[in-house]
This record gives sequence, structure tokens and C-alpha cells, in this order.
Amino acid sequence: GAVVSQHPSWVICKSGTSVKIECRSLDFQATTMFWYRQFPKQSLMLMATSNEGSKATYEQGVEKDKFLINHASLTLSTLTVTSAHPEDSSFYICSAGTSGGTLPYNEQFFGPGTRLTVL
Amino acid sequence: AQTVTQSQPEMSVQEAETVTLSCTYDTSESDYYLFWYKQPPSRQMILVIRQEAYKQQNATENRFSVNFQKAAKSFSLKISDSQLGDAAMYFCAYRSYGNKLVFGAGTILRVKS
Repeated sequence: GAVVSQHPSWVICKSGTSVKIECRSLDFQATTMFWYRQFPKQSLMLMATSNEGSKATYEQGVEKDKFLINHASLTLSTLTVTSAHPEDSSFYICSAGTSGGTLPYNEQFFGPGTRLTVL
Repeated sequence: AQTVTQSQPEMSVQEAETVTLSCTYDTSESDYYLFWYKQPPSRQMILVIRQEAYKQQNATENRFSVNFQKAAKSFSLKISDSQLGDAAMYFCAYRSYGNKLVFGAGTILRVKS
């Protein structure tokens, strides 16, 4: 159990367009979802934390109008990169936090990531 | 704020030998979790091992074990009988009961055959 999917796995878009990335918990309910950004050979940088039904909490330095996060249900969160530019090219990873039950409480399970390339 | 430091950007180990990856952290909290994650070339984050701070016993998972020194705020990962499939980026991470993970910079592990 505890599988998290992301879609798409790889997206190429033109500068100025918006891109939506989906993160789904397939076999558990995720009360909290996290979005990270990772540059090559670097660590994961937390962008924002979202709880189902409420507004996301963004980390310092992350533009909330640029990176729109929606957590509409206990199994789905989306990250929309608005008006994407080449500097937004990166690897985006989501993780889903559990609320207990058969899975460890507050454990985070990671999606496979989405590679975004903005031309 | 909590910080996690991995001082070894790269490490190499011969197949079948043992290697230890270092991690130190800084926190004023007494209860927290520590993790080692593996990120292979696929970039999927894989949990290797978890340690709860209130447990004195070091966690082990098959060939993977940790040396948790709470007073020294040290959390090293030992990989025994290294295999080619162990080659990856390894991240040490800290999590308080607030659920947010703080990652170290990572250590690239290369396994030589």
C-alpha cells in the first residue's frame, strides 16, 4: 500500500503557458500533501504544504501566485505553474502524508516526480 | 529552525564492502524522527530506514543500519555488503511532529564492481 502517483511524468511547454501537475494518493487518504522542487544533484526544497479543503502554506521565497496549489480532496492535489518561464524548469515531487490507520501516522510517501522543461 | 548537514558530497565503495554515510542535525526539540532516503537515477524517493528519537536502540533494515547518537545529534547510515543497486543519492532527513521534512544536501554513493 501507500502508492502516490504523479501526472504527467514529463512535460515540455512554451514560455508563458501554464502547466498543471497532479498528485494522487492511490490507496490511502492524504490529509496533507507536500510539493518539492529539486534541481539536478541537489536536495529537495519544500515549496508548500497543503491540507485538504484549506489554502496551502507556502515556504518563504515561493511565489504563491506563480505556483498555485489546490488540495480539493483527500486523494488529489494539483500544482499549477502559471506563466511558466525557462527558470521554472525543474523536477517537481509531491508527497502525501497519512493520518494513521494501517500506515504509520504522519508518514510521507513520495510520488515519482514530474520533469518540467520550459522552452 | 532545524538543519540537517551531510558533509560528504560523494562516497565510493567496493561491491560487497561496507560504507558509512554521515549526517548531523541541529534541533532544540526532544521528540522527532530521522530518516534516510535513497534516490536512484529514476529519482523516485525510497525510504531506507526510520529512527524515532525516543528510541535508544538503533534501527536496522536488512543490510542497512544506523548509528544514532542523540546527544551528539548524529545519525549515520551504514550499508553492509554493498551492491551495485545501492548506487544512488542518499538524503538524511529530519521531521518533527509537525510533519515537515527537512533534508540534507545529499551524498552520492558510487558502488564499484
